Amino acid sequence: GDSVTQMEGPVTLSEEAFLTINCTYTATGYPSLFWYVQYPGEGLQLLLKATKADDKGSNKGFEATYRKETTSFHLEKGSVQVSDSAVYFCALSGVRGGSNYKLTFGKGTLLTVNP
Amino acid sequence: SQTIHQWPATLVQPVGSPLSLECTVEGTSNPNLYWYRQAAGRGLQLLFYSVGIGQISSEVPQNLSASRPQDRQFILSSKKLLLSDSGFYLCAWWGRLNTGELFFGEGSRLTVL
Repeated sequence: GDSVTQMEGPVTLSEEAFLTINCTYTATGYPSLFWYVQYPGEGLQLLLKATKADDKGSNKGFEATYRKETTSFHLEKGSVQVSDSAVYFCALSGVRGGSNYKLTFGKGTLLTVNP
Repeated sequence: SQTIHQWPATLVQPVGSPLSLECTVEGTSNPNLYWYRQAAGRGLQLLFYSVGIGQISSEVPQNLSASRPQDRQFILSSKKLLLSDSGFYLCAWWGRLNTGELFFGEGSRLTVL
């Protein structure tokens, strides 16, 4: 079945450092890929997404490129801020819409940014 | 605009007691609805999803059940809680006209003692 593997955390960085969180996936067909962010005590919210190979999703300075050849969707940011401290989840949708639509999530990576 | 609400936000229950978590969605009709559980170190696990009133699909065998008595209401229940039921429960919805994003509620933190 579908699965998502994220790098193990926690990740601790200083403010303005470069961030990479690795994500690889296993799926049949052509899934859409997502990064969600969960701030402390809150639910999840979508950070960015890509729906086909070579697409780049971007938002709030974060970027991720859908790489079909390496089945990866790594999250990057050039200069992190304290406010980026959160748990980040990589996810994929195994079916394009339809009544059985659902997302499969990775285990999440806790990021802590220190001033 | 669409909104999703869960309650209660926090719950502490003894082992063997019943559970009822409620989720409601506003501003959309006939959404897919989902219950996920987030346990420490285990990421997000899909428990149930529903494509319509009275239609429930269970992803994993467990001590929990779900019901959808109305189009925009999704309830997670248990008759007798176990210690292993502790976790952060998240409700989400997906509308058939959107572009693939799931929208999540604020979550309900359950501690079973």
